[in-house]
Amino acid sequence: QVQLVESGGGLVQPGRSLRLSCAASGFAFSIYAMHWVRQAPGKGLEWVAVISYDGSNKYYADSVKGRFTISRDNSKNTLYLQMNSLRAEDTAVYYCARGRDGYNYCDYWGQGTLVTVPS
Amino acid sequence: SYELTQPPSVSVSPGQTASITCSGDKLGDKYACWYQQKPGQSPVLVIYQNNKRPSGIPERFSGSNSGNTATLTISGTQAMDEADYYCQAWDSRGVFGGGTKLTVL
Repeated sequence: QVQLVESGGGLVQPGRSLRLSCAASGFAFSIYAMHWVRQAPGKGLEWVAVISYDGSNKYYADSVKGRFTISRDNSKNTLYLQMNSLRAEDTAVYYCARGRDGYNYCDYWGQGTLVTVPS
Repeated sequence: SYELTQPPSVSVSPGQTASITCSGDKLGDKYACWYQQKPGQSPVLVIYQNNKRPSGIPERFSGSNSGNTATLTISGTQAMDEADYYCQAWDSRGVFGGGTKLTVL
């Protein structure tokens, strides 16, 4: 069965960096696009970034462009999100999700990892 | 940037039909999908490509998309359907609606 397990979240000071990981199993990771989506406490879902199956194409939300970098290692079945210059407004649960039909939707989601950046 | 607008809340009586709308400029020219999220849980895909249901999603969930509006319809709503629902589309970036809290009274 498809499993996505995020890790790497925690408490980080403003301006510092953090790298999230998403370990994938139960499917052919290397042929799927992968997304990061976040949810601030008590708020709605916010799309963050997507990477194509081979890593050649990457797209970012304006709110994170230039600060966050999405990447993947298909040999390790792992997705990453490098987050630099973190701000209080980046505080959220970060989900990784498997992309389908190009980048049109996400069919499986991980359980999420919480990133807290105090103000 | 592209935006999707949902009503913040919708209420429905058990057994009745709930409709949740999602509005965006020429949304009907794109594919819309819908996610259900219950408290403390990850989102679950309930409708993709406007009107398709993933395996395991009950038939009472259906979707449509035309013009500027996509609609999620839940027929014979059950108490277990009480949740937040989010629409989503792709427009050079991923876009989510603000979410609709469905209350089954």
